[in-house]
Amino acid sequence: QMHLKESGPGLVRPSGTLSLACTVSGDSVSSVTHYWTWIRQTPGKGLEWIGYIYSSSVTDYSPSLKSRATISVDTSRNQLSLKLRSVTAADTAVYFCASSLVSRGYDLSVWGQGTPVIVSS
Amino acid sequence: DIQMTQSPSSLSTSMGDRVTITCRASQSLGTYLNWYQQKPGQAPKLLIYSASTLESGVPSRFSGSGSETHFTLTINSLQPEDIATYFCQQSYFTPLTFGGGTRVEIK
Repeated sequence: QMHLKESGPGLVRPSGTLSLACTVSGDSVSSVTHYWTWIRQTPGKGLEWIGYIYSSSVTDYSPSLKSRATISVDTSRNQLSLKLRSVTAADTAVYFCASSLVSRGYDLSVWGQGTPVIVSS
Repeated sequence: DIQMTQSPSSLSTSMGDRVTITCRASQSLGTYLNWYQQKPGQAPKLLIYSASTLESGVPSRFSGSGSETHFTLTINSLQPEDIATYFCQQSYFTPLTFGGGTRVEIK
């Protein structure tokens, strides 16, 4: 059974870079059977899709975050990562990684527990 | 982006009642619509995908219906463990978008 777990700093300075990792167990991040996705949640904007990576290199991003976000995989650690540059208070959120089966499309069947990130000086 | 509108935003009901939540899309989705349940402090959990297919392990009192722009999630005979917030999500194309959520509470 697949498990996902997010990790990273809980506090990031404004204008800095938010860096998160998601450790995957039960499958390989380089597999072609899953989309590996980042989502965030805030009380104000709700659930917001950030983007996904597929087959280690194919990525797709939300247009609103595309200029600042990078999703990649580290196959040696079986992790996917998210980097979000030039953060502001509006990027304060709980960040989730999730996976979906390519054969089924984009329904998010497995989620990590989430990690809160606060952007503040 | 496809806009997803859920109603109601919250509802108050009694144990054993039938609960119906509606989700409307700003454009046709076919059946590319999914439902999630989220409890406080937890990640969302997939309940239904492709509008009406129950995810493995989800109790049969949950059901989904609809197509194109109008979808419903029904909980038959509400149980205490069903108290949560429910979200719809379109998976027709990216960017994936979610409804604002429906909080289900007990009277």
